Amino acid sequence: GQQVMQIPQYQHVQEGEDFTTYCNSSTTLSNIQWYKQRPGGHPVFLIQLVKSGEVKKQKRLTFQFGEAKKNSSLHITATQTTDVGTYFCAGRGNQGGKLIFGQGTELSVKP
Amino acid sequence: GAVVSQHPSRVICKSGTSVKIECRSLDFQATTMFWYRQFPKQSLMLMATSNEGSKATYEQGVEKDKFLINHASLTLSTLTVTSAHPEDSSFYICSARPGTSGSYEQYFGPGTRLTVT
Repeated sequence: GQQVMQIPQYQHVQEGEDFTTYCNSSTTLSNIQWYKQRPGGHPVFLIQLVKSGEVKKQKRLTFQFGEAKKNSSLHITATQTTDVGTYFCAGRGNQGGKLIFGQGTELSVKP
Repeated sequence: GAVVSQHPSRVICKSGTSVKIECRSLDFQATTMFWYRQFPKQSLMLMATSNEGSKATYEQGVEKDKFLINHASLTLSTLTVTSAHPEDSSFYICSARPGTSGSYEQYFGPGTRLTVT
C-alpha cells in the first residue's frame, strides 16, 4: 500500500539556523498537506500543495511539491523557538481516499 | 476559524470497562470525521472514517467491535472503546472536514489521552 516516509526523525538546531524536513511517497500523490503539532498539542493544518512543482511560502516557511508529485519538503528559514514542534506531511493518493501521515520530524530549537 | 472539541481530554479507566470519547465540530458542519490514534513520538494512525448517517469505514487491523463509532449528526461523532485493556492506552485524536464543496482541510480536536489500568 501507499507509504509516506519523512526524514529526519529529529532535528536539533540553534536559533537562527535553517531547518528542512523531507517527505517521500511510494506512489504518486494527488496532493500533500503539512501539519504542525506542538508538544502536548494536536496537529494544526499548515498548507496543501496540489500542483506538480508547486512552491508556496508562509513567512519563513517554504513548501515544495516535487515535479513527480511523490516528494515534498518544508524549509524554515532562521528558526525561532516558536517553531518547536513536530512537523507532519500527509499525502493523498491519486485515487483519492485517506490521508497517509508521515512519521513526522521533531524540531527542537536551542535559544 | 473552524474549531473541533473533544471530550474528555483525559480519562483513566479500569481494564474491562468501556470509554466513550466525543468529537464535536463547534462552528461548522462536518459530513466526514476521522479518528486517529497516536502513540508517543509516533505518527497519526487512521483508525476509521465516519460519515454522518452511515456506518464508519475502518482501517485494516482495527476491530470494529472494539472501537465503536457513531456519527449521529453533522457536528458529533463518538468513539467508544469497549472492554478496554492496557494496550488500548493511547492518544486518540479526531478530525473533521467541513461539508462545503471543495474543502480539503481537516481540523483536529485537542485529543483524548486514555490510560487503561
